[in-house]
Amino acid sequence: AQSVTQLDSQVPVFEEAPVELRCNYSSSVSVYLFWYVQYPNQGLQLLLKYLSGSTLVKGINGFEAEFNKSQTSFHLRKPSVHISDTAEYFCAVSVQGAQKLVFGQGTRLTINP
Amino acid sequence: DTGVSQNPRHKITKRGQNVTFRCDPISEHNRLYWYRQTLGQGPEFLTYFQNEAQLEKSRLLSDRFSAERPKGSFSTLEIQRTEQGDSAMYLCASSRGGGGAVDEQFFGPGTRLTVL
Repeated sequence: AQSVTQLDSQVPVFEEAPVELRCNYSSSVSVYLFWYVQYPNQGLQLLLKYLSGSTLVKGINGFEAEFNKSQTSFHLRKPSVHISDTAEYFCAVSVQGAQKLVFGQGTRLTINP
Repeated sequence: DTGVSQNPRHKITKRGQNVTFRCDPISEHNRLYWYRQTLGQGPEFLTYFQNEAQLEKSRLLSDRFSAERPKGSFSTLEIQRTEQGDSAMYLCASSRGGGGAVDEQFFGPGTRLTVL
């Protein structure tokens, strides 16, 4: 079975500072990796995904993530955050042939002015 | 493309009552998923449909839960004899369901259930 661990439940940062949200997964088979964002009172929105190929994946809103197979990690980064990035971020995995997503517990990103 | 819609957005019920939620997927999306999200946790998979066929059910889906997608379009999730532990946000997602390595899931805003 697959599992996802988001190491930080809350991350406070100042506006225009860089941020990294950490995600580790466990799986005995190859996985696909995703980051979703959930703004207050809205549904989950896909930020980016890793399927294969280049381990550095670029997504929307200036976010990027790097797949590290040896460390089973898929950390999300942004070089300069904005107030509008305040949201809950979820890392998720799925395996080939399966349709369900397995989510981490989420990381609440708070941007301080 | 109007997105995935869910109704109602909020539901408050008393323990022991039955509740039903509806999900309307993005038109022409063949796959439909239900997830449950409790406070401070990520969404947990409940079940999914390919057209009208229910192809996978989680062990989280007890006998009190039933989901249907009768015509391969909208879906309903019913909870019978609700318990306080059923209080959660119920999320619906849909995906195109065509070929390709993975299918992007588009999520609705959710139905928040409170069982008193």
